[in-house]
Amino acid sequence: AQSVTQLDSQVPVFEEAPVELRCNYSSSVSVYLFWYVQYPNQGLQLLLKYLSGSTLVKGINGFEAEFNKSQTSFHLRKPSVHISDTAEYFCAVSEDYGGSQGNLIFGKGTKLSVKP
Amino acid sequence: DVKVTQSSRYLVKRTGEKVFLECVQDMDHENMFWYRQDPGLGLRLIYFSYDVKMKEKGDIPEGYSVSREKKERFSLILESASTNQTSMYLCASRPETFTFEETQYFGPGTRLLVL
Repeated sequence: AQSVTQLDSQVPVFEEAPVELRCNYSSSVSVYLFWYVQYPNQGLQLLLKYLSGSTLVKGINGFEAEFNKSQTSFHLRKPSVHISDTAEYFCAVSEDYGGSQGNLIFGKGTKLSVKP
Repeated sequence: DVKVTQSSRYLVKRTGEKVFLECVQDMDHENMFWYRQDPGLGLRLIYFSYDVKMKEKGDIPEGYSVSREKKERFSLILESASTNQTSMYLCASRPETFTFEETQYFGPGTRLLVL
């Protein structure tokens, strides 16, 4: 069965510092990987996704993520964060095979807090 | 832009009441989903629907039911609300594709408090 582990529940950083939010998954088949962001009192919006091809994926707001099949990881990075990046970030996986229903399995979320 | 709307942002109900949460999407998506979000637990799938009048149980369906009479509308029903159903409820929709690469589009959420 699939599972997604976000290793840090909270990550505090100072403005303009780099940040990495970690995500590991378990699955016996090929997967699609997603990062979503949730700003306070809002729904989730897609940051980026990995389907196939290049393992480095670029998303909105300067975020990028790298798919590492051997490590079963999909860590999210940003070289310089802004106050407006304060939000909760969710990693999600769906399996790519005919028997799957393609539903997303979410991690428990990482709260990024950017301080001035 | 895809728009997913939920009927209420905040809702306060009493234990034992029947509660309806409505979700509407305007992009003719076949698939719709209901999640609940609780601190430290992430998002958990309650029910989903692949087409009109079709529904499938998710990971935590107990205490909930759903209705999808029209393609654009997916309703979540709490037959008899209980305090442990106090939560944030998120609706999402997704176009039907064979290989599931499409993202889900989320509504803004309904924060339900059951007293």
